[in-house]
Parts: sequence; structure tokens; C-alpha cells
Amino acid sequence: GQNIDQPTEMTATEGAIVQINCTYQTSGFNGLFWYQQHAGEAPTFLSYNVLDGLEEKGRFSSFLSRSKGYSYLLLKELQMKDSASYLCAVMDSNYQLIWGAGTKLIIKP
Amino acid sequence: GAVVSQHPSWVICKSGTSVKIECRSLDFQATTMFWYRQFPKQSLMLMATSNEGSKATYEQGVEKDKFLINHASLTLSTLTVTSAHPEDSSFYICSARDPAGGENGWQFFGPGTRLTVL
Repeated sequence: GQNIDQPTEMTATEGAIVQINCTYQTSGFNGLFWYQQHAGEAPTFLSYNVLDGLEEKGRFSSFLSRSKGYSYLLLKELQMKDSASYLCAVMDSNYQLIWGAGTKLIIKP
Repeated sequence: GAVVSQHPSWVICKSGTSVKIECRSLDFQATTMFWYRQFPKQSLMLMATSNEGSKATYEQGVEKDKFLINHASLTLSTLTVTSAHPEDSSFYICSARDPAGGENGWQFFGPGTRLTVL
């Protein structure tokens, strides 16, 4: 079956760095996505990785290793507004998004 | 960037009534739209995939006669929750696939509709 695993909840301190991991097993691979979702709102796109390596976008970076079925989202200089759920999703061979359950990130002052 | 709108943003209705939710792609033509449901503190659950001009493909466990989907044009898909009951109360989110694809995630999400059935 298809499976996406990510931690349920993480806590970090304002100004610090946090890494959210995601492992996957899917039928085919057409890219891995990270979305941010604040409570009561729809997800917003953060990043897309289809090749191995690190993609950096400002304070957020995303890494992919296809051979290991592994990705992480790295958030630097954490701000209180970064408190949200972070969803990992993989596009399978049918171009369908397979979603992880999300990681709730709690930022403390 | 691509914009997807959803209407209404929230709705409260009595048990037994039907509710229609609209999803529109505002600046692109979406041949495929997706309907998700999200219960509190849970992840997105795909309900159905809607292709313009054809019948929707429903995920296992989703009743097609209860959740009617119509994708009549390249910019509009509707989800009708028929005979809604309190257990249908949820956050319903649509997304639309931009055929141009690219690195922007392929799927653009609407703002969601909060349905509360009394």
C-alpha cells in the first residue's frame, strides 16, 4: 500500500531551527510537496522536490532523497506565525497526491 | 498565480437539507478538480476527483449518491451534500489542477467551506 509518515507534533522555540521529516512508500513518484496549513484554513503550497537535493526558499528549505524515500522541511529563524500544521504529500504514478497526516508545529516564545 | 475560489465560506443548515458548495478556478482552466474533507485535527481526506464533462471518481467509502459532484465547465465544480446530517459537519476544501503544472504544486486550493449541520 501507499504510506506517508511524518511526526504528529513538534515543539520549537522562536528564533530556532526545526526539521520536519517525512518518509514515503508510494506506487511511483512524480514529486514531493510540502504544504502549510493554519487552523481553519486551506493548505498553502511551500515547496516541490522532484530531484534529489536541497531546495531553498528564504527561511524554508526542503530536501529529498528518492533512494531513501525521505524528505525533510527545514524552517529557520522560527516566528510565532510559523505555528501551523505542515503536510507532506507525494504525487504517485497516476499524478494523484498521497497525503501524510500532517505535523503540528508549536512555536514557543 | 492561480486562484481558486470557494463559495460559501461557511454554512449552517438543519439536518435533512441539501447544501451546494461551488469551486471556481478564476484565472485558469482546470480539467481536474478535487474535493477533500477534513475533520478537526485530522489530515485532508480525498473524497473524489472531478473531471470536466465526465462523472466524478469517488474514493472508497464515499457515497456518490450523498455527495453529488458536477464539473460542468472548465472553471466550475460543485459539491452537493444531500440530506446533510450532523456527522457531515466538516471543512470541505476543493483544489484545481493547473494543466500548466510546473513547480507551483500543480494543485491550487480554495479557501475551504465550513459546514455545520444542526
